[in-house]
Amino acid sequence: GQNIDQPTEMTATEGAIVQINCTYQTSGFNGLFWYQQHAGEAPTFLSYNVLDGLEEKGRFSSFLSRSKGYSYLLLKELQMKDSASYLCAVVDSNYQLIWGAGTKLIIKP
Amino acid sequence: GAVVSQHPSRVICKSGTSVKIECRSLDFQATTMFWYRQFPKKSLMLMATSNEGSKATYEQGVEKDKFLINHASLTLSTLTVTSAHPEDSSFYICSARDPGLDGNTIYFGEGSWLTVV
Repeated sequence: GQNIDQPTEMTATEGAIVQINCTYQTSGFNGLFWYQQHAGEAPTFLSYNVLDGLEEKGRFSSFLSRSKGYSYLLLKELQMKDSASYLCAVVDSNYQLIWGAGTKLIIKP
Repeated sequence: GAVVSQHPSRVICKSGTSVKIECRSLDFQATTMFWYRQFPKKSLMLMATSNEGSKATYEQGVEKDKFLINHASLTLSTLTVTSAHPEDSSFYICSARDPGLDGNTIYFGEGSWLTVV
């Protein structure tokens, strides 16, 4: 079957760095998305990786290793507003979007 | 397994024709479903909120007559793209709110890739 694994919940301190991991087993691969979602709101696009390596965008970076079926989202200089759920989603060979359950990130002062 | 299912996952249609995308909640009754459109490298764009038994609420800028939404039952909402044009080619995603638990859990479908040629 197809599967996306990410931690259910993580806690970090304001100003620190946190890494949210995502591992996947899917039938084929056509890219991986990371989204941020605040409760009750639509997800906000953070990144799209289709090639191996690290992509950096300001405080957020995303890494992909296709051979390992692994990605992570790195958040630096954490702010209270970063408290949200972070969703990992993979596009498989049939162009279906396989969603992870999301990681709830709690930022403490 | 998936709790919200979309069909078809991928569809190619000719310009001027209409195409229907279904969104089903499998394990719960969803009084509210949402339809999104994914533009490349951009956020999911909320198109409309679909409420069972009533008219959908469309976001500003979304053409109601072009994107017809029907929420005929508690487990099914449909999006029909009418008179499709190549610029309608996109990834359409639905989600459904599970009224159980805290009523705030939203599950996403697998998405439907539409290509208009």
